Amino acid sequence: ETGVTQTPRHLVMGMTNKKSLKCEQHLGHNAMYWYKQSAKKPLELMFVYNFKEQTENNSVPSRFSPECPNSSHLFLHLHTLQPEDSALYLCASSQVRGDYNEQFFGPGTRLTVL
Amino acid sequence: GQNIDQPTEMTATEGAIVQINCTYQTSGFNGLFWYQQHAGEAPTFLSYNVLDGLEEKGRFSSFLSRSKGYSYLLLKELQMKDSASYLCAFMDSNYQLIWGAGTKLIIKP
Repeated sequence: ETGVTQTPRHLVMGMTNKKSLKCEQHLGHNAMYWYKQSAKKPLELMFVYNFKEQTENNSVPSRFSPECPNSSHLFLHLHTLQPEDSALYLCASSQVRGDYNEQFFGPGTRLTVL
Repeated sequence: GQNIDQPTEMTATEGAIVQINCTYQTSGFNGLFWYQQHAGEAPTFLSYNVLDGLEEKGRFSSFLSRSKGYSYLLLKELQMKDSASYLCAFMDSNYQLIWGAGTKLIIKP
């Protein structure tokens, strides 16, 4: 595997289900990100992990719970979601160094909440 | 506050040239990125500008004017495979990326 991988690619879940999204980066980067992408809206940064420490949590509802067990893996645990949470969830990684932060993205998980 | 704006959709003809504009407002600026995203795929890096001027990379060029809060992506000799969304994002004072909503570019034969 190369780059950033995400599983599953597609997920349909009911509002009472619990599921998890997985992201793995094979680039040796020190930061990982979860974004939400909705149609015709900017990418919304949800969580940032820098050196495995969560450094950003942009007012994300508690029904989304991130986990970063090591610098290569990132999870997003989902429970009691709402239909408006249906979106493309993108994971990204970067090597944060000084004044440059090019981010590398995975293919995303297309989530549908019924 | 912070704000970034780009057109929602543009249409161009195969073989032609198209310019996608991006304007932004921020108190802290550390560079501007352009990404390409094909439908159902990951955004991929196209260019990065931190100083004023034009950066050329093959058929794609990106321009930045920091004083005007303005950037554009110029695509030459358009090909059908260039049909995609183009995302601009600036890096703020915390080195986080603030994203525009993307411009969907439709290429017609």
